[in-house]
Amino acid sequence: EAGVAQSPRYKIIEKRQSVAFWCNPISGHATLYWYQQILGQGPKLLIQFQNNGVVDDSQLPKDRFSAERLKGVDSTLKIQPAKLEDSAVYLCASSWTTGTRELFFGEGSRLTVL
Amino acid sequence: TQLLEQSPQFLSIQEGENLTVYCNSSSVFSSLQWYRQEPGEGPVLLVTVVTGGEVKKLKRLTFQFGDARKDSSLHITAAQPGDTGLYLCAGVGDYKLSFGAGTTVTVRA
Repeated sequence: EAGVAQSPRYKIIEKRQSVAFWCNPISGHATLYWYQQILGQGPKLLIQFQNNGVVDDSQLPKDRFSAERLKGVDSTLKIQPAKLEDSAVYLCASSWTTGTRELFFGEGSRLTVL
Repeated sequence: TQLLEQSPQFLSIQEGENLTVYCNSSSVFSSLQWYRQEPGEGPVLLVTVVTGGEVKKLKRLTFQFGDARKDSSLHITAAQPGDTGLYLCAGVGDYKLSFGAGTTVTVRA
C-alpha cells in the first residue's frame, strides 16, 4: 500500500514570496490533515479536511495560509506571502475517517524562509 | 502553547540501559497516542492507550496511561541504537489530536 506522498521535500524562498505544497493521501482515506512542525516543537494542526470539506482550520493563519482539497483526494497548502517564522516542516497526514485515530504521515516538506 | 508537556526534552543513554519519558497534561483525554519520528521522516504511530490505568507492551516498550487519563509514560527496556528518535505523545479530545513537543532520545552504541 502506497503511503502519503508529499512534494517538494525541500523548498527555500525569500520572505514575502509564495510557496505551495502538495499532498496525496493513502487511497481511500477520507480525512486529510496539514500540520506545521517548527524545530524543537511537536506538530501543530493547521487544517483538517473530511473529504472536500473543512472540519477544523482554527489554527490556520488565514491572512497568509490557504489550503484546498477540491476533489476530496489530494490537497495543496499555500503560503503567500511567507514570513521568516513560517520556516518549518509541513506534514501531511491521512486517516480513514475523522473518528479513526491512526494517522499516517508523509515525510514532510521542509520550508526555509530567508 | 502545548497542552501536553513532555519530559525530559532530551535523553542520551548507552545501549542496554533503560529509560522512561513522561507526558503530562491538565486536560483529560479520551485516549492518548505515542509516535516515534526519525530525522527526515513523519511520525509513526506506536500505540494508542484508551482506558485509565491501561498498560500496553510492544516488545521492549511499555506504555502506561494514568488513572485520570491526563498523563502517560513510555518505558524502554535495554535500549538499542534503533530506538533513537523523537518520541511524541498526542492526546485525543473530541476530534482533535494535540501533540506534545517531544522527547529526543539518543541511544549510543
